[in-house]
Amino acid sequence: QVQLVESGGGVVQPGRSLRLSCAASGFILSRNGMHWVRQAPGKGLEWVATISYDGSNKDYADSVKGRFTISRDNSKNTLYVEMNSLRAEDTAVYYCAKDLGGQHCSGGRCHSYGMDVWGQGTTVTVSS
Amino acid sequence: QSVLTQPPSASGTPGQRVAISCSGSSSNIGWSIVNWYQQLPGTAPKLLIYANGHRPSGVPDRFSGSKSGTSATLAISGLQSEDEADYYCATWDDSLNGWVFGGGTKLTVL
Repeated sequence: QVQLVESGGGVVQPGRSLRLSCAASGFILSRNGMHWVRQAPGKGLEWVATISYDGSNKDYADSVKGRFTISRDNSKNTLYVEMNSLRAEDTAVYYCAKDLGGQHCSGGRCHSYGMDVWGQGTTVTVSS
Repeated sequence: QSVLTQPPSASGTPGQRVAISCSGSSSNIGWSIVNWYQQLPGTAPKLLIYANGHRPSGVPDRFSGSKSGTSATLAISGLQSEDEADYYCATWDDSLNGWVFGGGTKLTVL
């Protein structure tokens, strides 16, 4: 079955960097877009970034644009997010999620159908 | 403050029908499709409804979704104790060029 396992979380000081990984199994990663979504303690879900199946298209939330980089290595069935210049407000559980596949189009603009299967999450704490 | 507005809480008794609303705008719900996610305590979110009203395999038909204009609704009929969870709506926002979530609704089964 489809499984996503995140790793790389931990405690990091403000201004430092961290790279999260998401190991995929049970499906062909190279055929699917992927997402990162985070959840601050006691708060709701916040979309972080999306990467297309081949890595050619990447979208970021304004809150992380210029600091976070999403990437993928389809040969290793792994998704990544490189997080730089970390802030206290980046403290959260980070989830990777597989895209549903397909596209919704309207007015000549298209986007994916969104998050399907989610991993169990990895916790990032930014604190001095 | 979330781009999509959900009531912070909802409740019902076993067997009842409960509806959770999600309000947006013409740049998100009015333009796109809506997904609903269920997050049981201490677990990862699970896809409940996609593309407004479609259920993934394995999701009971007690759960249904609909969209009208710039709002969407998740309905749960025959409420059960295991339905007690947080529920989130999500859609693509064409102005923000990204996915947006509602603030979440905590459902309590009395």
